[in-house]
Amino acid sequence: QVTLKESGPGMLQPSKTLSLTCSFSGFSLSTSGMVVSWIRQPSGKSLEWLAAIDWDGDKYYNPSLKSRLTVSKDTSNTQVFLKITSVDIADTATYYCARTRDTMGITTDFDYWGQGVMVTVSS
Amino acid sequence: DIQMTQSPASLSASLGETVTIQCRASEDIYSGLAWYQQKPGKSPQLLIYGASSLQDGVPSRFSGSGSGTQYSLKISSMQTEDEGVYFCQQGLKYPLTFGSGTKLEIK
Repeated sequence: QVTLKESGPGMLQPSKTLSLTCSFSGFSLSTSGMVVSWIRQPSGKSLEWLAAIDWDGDKYYNPSLKSRLTVSKDTSNTQVFLKITSVDIADTATYYCARTRDTMGITTDFDYWGQGVMVTVSS
Repeated sequence: DIQMTQSPASLSASLGETVTIQCRASEDIYSGLAWYQQKPGKSPQLLIYGASSLQDGVPSRFSGSGSGTQYSLKISSMQTEDEGVYFCQQGLKYPLTFGSGTKLEIK
């Protein structure tokens, strides 16, 4: 059974660094082809893909936020982390991690999602 | 980035009615399209991948079609539990991008 769960600070002040953790089970990020992504969603709005890391340690970032993002994984391959520097009110959102799969060699989608963690940026 | 334009933004349907939601990509995505359903307070759930493949466990009343830049999601017989927001997502290239969503309600 595949499960993912996000954790984070809940609230932080502008200009600080947001640190998020995705803990998962049911698969290993050391398995060839495995990828985990971070996606966020402001309340009442659409989804924005932020970053991904694959089984080989390759990292992918949304160019619109790349300078502020760092994605990493732990050595046991059961956790993925995301850091966002210099947060602003616009970073207030629910943050999800999701297992990301390369399907049929032609498309990438998200087949398992965590429950999400709400992050509020406020002074 | 590939832009995804979804329509309509909202719609209401009667029980048993057929519902269609459209998604247009800013360039050819070669069937690299997925559809998700999101219910209030919940995370999105994958319904369709590769434009027309049904994800395991998803009811057969859901179907996807399309090619090139134009795609659609069809619900053949609207049920109460189908209320929610639907998103399309292109999976051809990074950065992966989503449509703006369609809110579906029971009439």
